[in-house]
Parts: sequence; structure tokens; C-alpha cells
Amino acid sequence: NAGVMQNPRHLVRRRGQEARLRCSPMKGHSHVYWYRQLPEEGLKFMVYLQKENIIDESGMPKERFSAEFPKEGPSILRIQQVVRGDSAAYFCASSPRDRRSGNTGELFFGEGSRLTVL
Amino acid sequence: GQQVMQIPQYQHVQEGEDFTTYCNSSTTLSNIQWYKQRPGGHPVFLIQLVKSGEVKKQKRLTFQFGEAKKNSSLHITATQTTDVGTYFCAGPRSNDYKLSFGAGTTVTVRA
Repeated sequence: NAGVMQNPRHLVRRRGQEARLRCSPMKGHSHVYWYRQLPEEGLKFMVYLQKENIIDESGMPKERFSAEFPKEGPSILRIQQVVRGDSAAYFCASSPRDRRSGNTGELFFGEGSRLTVL
Repeated sequence: GQQVMQIPQYQHVQEGEDFTTYCNSSTTLSNIQWYKQRPGGHPVFLIQLVKSGEVKKQKRLTFQFGEAKKNSSLHITATQTTDVGTYFCAGPRSNDYKLSFGAGTTVTVRA
């Protein structure tokens, strides 16, 4: 049973380019979260998605960042016109439950995508 | 907004010694979760505590949830090199679902 799959594991972009990070949740999971981690810091919530719906994007910058979780295919976190401050590890996590009902069980994390902006 | 704070930020431990790391929330939590992240790795779920005053053990790790459900602790006995990593606590506010993570306690072990 494959875990949460993220790719690419490492991505290097120059300022102004676009970064696309992909996440396939665990089989049977329809809830996806994206977190950002700066070096030696904790995980900052960015966005919570279900299939074809953005449930909560309150942690995601309004500009340049977008996320989607289509009916078919992986969830994608897209960063346009990257800047050096976007350099971080981006972790995707999935859950089988609708956490809005209060069933806040564990999150299953992928291995992360480490973005470096030159 | 809710803040989850962990202390200490760094814990340097002699192999075989015990230590405790603490987690404090500015708001009441419906539950508290602990994750471990090895260097260069990803967070892995360790445990979830739900009840006020709950205590759970996993081998040499003891987790506790405070009576007021605003703090938690992780105590590790007889530290081993395999305990190296960063330990995060995380909790949602009551009636919320977003997990707020603390900044973590990074543990290094001297052999």
C-alpha cells in the first residue's frame, strides 16, 4: 500500500519561474493538506482540499500561490514567479476523514518537495 | 490566532539519559498529536491524545495531555541514538480541523 507520493523531491528554479509540486494521497484518502516548512522551523498550514474543492486556503499567500485537487490525478501546488523566500520544503499530507466533523485522526505525510530558488 | 509553543527548541542528551519536551497551546485543544521527523525526512505520526489528563506509553516514550487540554509533554527515558530527530506537537482548536504545529524540539544524542 503506497504512502503519500510527492514529486519532484527536489526542484531548483530561478527567480520568476514557476514551480509545480504534485501530491498523490494514500489510496482511499480524499483529503489533502499542504504544509510549508522553512529550515529549522515548524510546519505552517497552507491549504486543505478535497476532491475538486478547496476547503480552506487561509494559510496560502493570496498572490502567486494556487492549489487544486482534481477529480482525477494528483493534487498540485503551483507557485508562480518564484522568489528566494519561497525556498522551503513543501509537505503534502492526506487523511481519509473529513476533519471538519471533528474526526481529527493522524495525517500521513509525503516525503516532501524541497524547492530551491536561485 | 492559535499558537502552539514547544520548549526547549534544542535538546542535547547524553545517550542513556532521560529528557522531557513540553508543548503549550494558547487555546484549548480537542486533541494533541505528536510527530517525529528524522533529519532530512518527513513527519511521522507517533500518537494522539484526546482525554484530559490522558497518559500513553510507547516503549521508552511517555506522552501526557494536561488536565486543561492546553499542554502536553513527551518524556523519553534511556535515550538512544535512534531518538535523534525533531519532535513536533500539533493540535486543532476545539471545533476546528487545521492542525497547528509547534516549532519542534530538535534532539541530538551524544554517544
